[in-house]
Amino acid sequence: RKEVEQDPGPFNVPEGATVAFNCTYSNSASQSFFWYRQDCRKEPKLLMSVYSSGNEDGRFTAQLNRASQYISLLIRDSKLSDSATYLCVVNFIQGAQKLVFGQGTRLTINP
Amino acid sequence: DAGVIQSPRHEVTEMGQEVTLRCKPISGHDYLFWYRQTMMRGLELLIYFNNNVPIDDSGMPEDRFSAKMPNASFSTLKIQPSEPRDSAVYFCASSFRTSGGYEQYFGPGTRLTVT
Repeated sequence: RKEVEQDPGPFNVPEGATVAFNCTYSNSASQSFFWYRQDCRKEPKLLMSVYSSGNEDGRFTAQLNRASQYISLLIRDSKLSDSATYLCVVNFIQGAQKLVFGQGTRLTINP
Repeated sequence: DAGVIQSPRHEVTEMGQEVTLRCKPISGHDYLFWYRQTMMRGLELLIYFNNNVPIDDSGMPEDRFSAKMPNASFSTLKIQPSEPRDSAVYFCASSFRTSGGYEQYFGPGTRLTVT
């Protein structure tokens, strides 16, 4: 079983739609959780951290379910510029900076 | 502000040759990471340093790979000898610890092709 698993997609949705991704992780002791965004042929960039109580940043909402070991990302009112690959990222070891990346979910927003 | 700088951006080499990838982290960052990304395996951590000291090299695939960080502003990843299966995008990233946690900043990557 992979340490961090994501549906690779691709997800093709119309502009303005709401889209959600899930990610599962294997290590119940995992400490920190993130969503990174990677544009085609570019480097990954931090989109948002994921906190236990859930958090929102504009059109983006991230949630964590420790009991079921999954993380979600919701994008509302999607824009063409949201087209990218979204990487689920987990830090398994408290105090360490070793991140484990999921394979990514590819999203295309269509006009 | 300059981000993480990597060179070269593209490298094409023949099997058996030595390849050296270079990275300059963001000034003030005390962690440096080397990743490899392929379609099949995704983004994998190869090794990371804290204050120039290697902390975890468990992701280094084999002895053909080596990494050094002689000072806070420079690191190299060397592959000797290179093989076609080493073809990938190699990213360097840096970070520092803050009260709010940390964020890893990635360089633009080096696209390596071994023929």
